[in-house]
Amino acid sequence: AQTVTQSQPEMSVQEAETVTLSCTYDTSESDYYLFWYKQPPSRQMILVIRQEAYKQQNATENRFSVNFQKAAKSFSLKISDSQLGDAAMYFCAYSGYSTLTFGKGTMLLVSP
Amino acid sequence: EAGVAQSPRYKIIEKRQSVAFWCNPISGHATLYWYQQILGQGPKLLIQFQNNGVVDDSQLPKDRFSAERLKGVDSTLKIQPAKLEDSAVYLCASSFGAPEGSEQYFGPGTRLTVT
Repeated sequence: AQTVTQSQPEMSVQEAETVTLSCTYDTSESDYYLFWYKQPPSRQMILVIRQEAYKQQNATENRFSVNFQKAAKSFSLKISDSQLGDAAMYFCAYSGYSTLTFGKGTMLLVSP
Repeated sequence: EAGVAQSPRYKIIEKRQSVAFWCNPISGHATLYWYQQILGQGPKLLIQFQNNGVVDDSQLPKDRFSAERLKGVDSTLKIQPAKLEDSAVYLCASSFGAPEGSEQYFGPGTRLTVT
């Protein structure tokens, strides 16, 4: 079974600074997808960014980018120019031939 | 476009009672998911439907949980009888295509408290 590990229960960052959230996963599959989802307090979970394992190029979405290290099974999320609206729980998730598996999440706190 | 709708938003019941949750996915989305999110954890898939057929219910406690998706659109998730450990947020999500790689769109969730 696939597992997803987020080792940082909580991270803090100041506005305009950069923060990196860590994620590692374990799988024996060769083709899969990795995701970062954001869950703001009392709001719906939304997709932040997606990476296809067969693509070597790291995915980017505006201020959000990933560092995908397939051999190390690592998938970190970098948030640049952090904003107050980035404060949320961030979940790393894996999808292979079966269903989506989530990590336990990292709470991101953003201070002015 | 309208998002995934869920009701009720909050529910408090006593143990051994029954409860039902409703979900209306985004129009045209063939795949529907029910997740259980216990406080401090990531969502755990309970059941996945493709149209009105079950694709995966391996983590659904079938002795007390049941789910159906009528006509491949709306879905209901039922718990009978509820236990204290069922206290959680129940999330419904939908996606347009096959689960691998597809973006899932989540509803606001139903927060269940079992006393």
